[in-house]
Amino acid sequence: DIVMTQSPDSLAVSLGERATINCKSSQSVFSSSNNKNYLAWYQQKPGQPPKLLIHWASTRESGVPDRFSGSGSGTDFTLTINSLQAEDVAVYYCQQYYTSGLTFGGGTKVAIK
Amino acid sequence: EVQLLETGGGLSRPGGSLRLSCAASGFTFSNYAMSWVRQAPGKGLEWVSAISGSGSHTYYADSVKGRFTISRDNSKNTLYLQMNSLRADDTAVYYCAKDGLFTGHDRGDYFDYWGQGTLVTVSS
Repeated sequence: DIVMTQSPDSLAVSLGERATINCKSSQSVFSSSNNKNYLAWYQQKPGQPPKLLIHWASTRESGVPDRFSGSGSGTDFTLTINSLQAEDVAVYYCQQYYTSGLTFGGGTKVAIK
Repeated sequence: EVQLLETGGGLSRPGGSLRLSCAASGFTFSNYAMSWVRQAPGKGLEWVSAISGSGSHTYYADSVKGRFTISRDNSKNTLYLQMNSLRADDTAVYYCAKDGLFTGHDRGDYFDYWGQGTLVTVSS
């Protein structure tokens, strides 16, 4: 299985500042057949199921604020939250869907400083 | 509006069995692969099992292979997870999740809708 490693485990950011979360896969999740990275990002708030934010590494899901953006390719990916809002306090997970045996990163907890 | 409603969770003794159900609505159920994803208390997400839209292909995490069986009834728009030989480390909230791709992989892709989850507790 592909191992997904997120960093940091947690971070505290001031309101209005930028939060950056990293995700590294143990092997490439890029497919040259369709030029896509099989990488998604989710947000999970306490007591709620995960919510899809981004798929194909950088495609924002409908309705997700544009302060959320995804980037990266191959094995290294980043979720950026620009101008952090109070409602963005949550745990964020990356997930690869390149191979069977779908795997998630361990999660990054975002708090307000 | 897409809705996924899990039921069937509860307390089981080690070695026991439970059957989870997930009632789906708001989309053409048979067109999408479905998965079960679990989350142990205070822990991260773990994919458990996936099933193709037709039900003909199934996939399992190594941690549950041989103990859990995923199935679906497309006439009832319902997904199932039969859990046998339960262990303490199976304790988790179990979510059913809809595949985000109409022509996606049978073994699952990303998940665009999730249910609220049902708690399974395995304890003596």
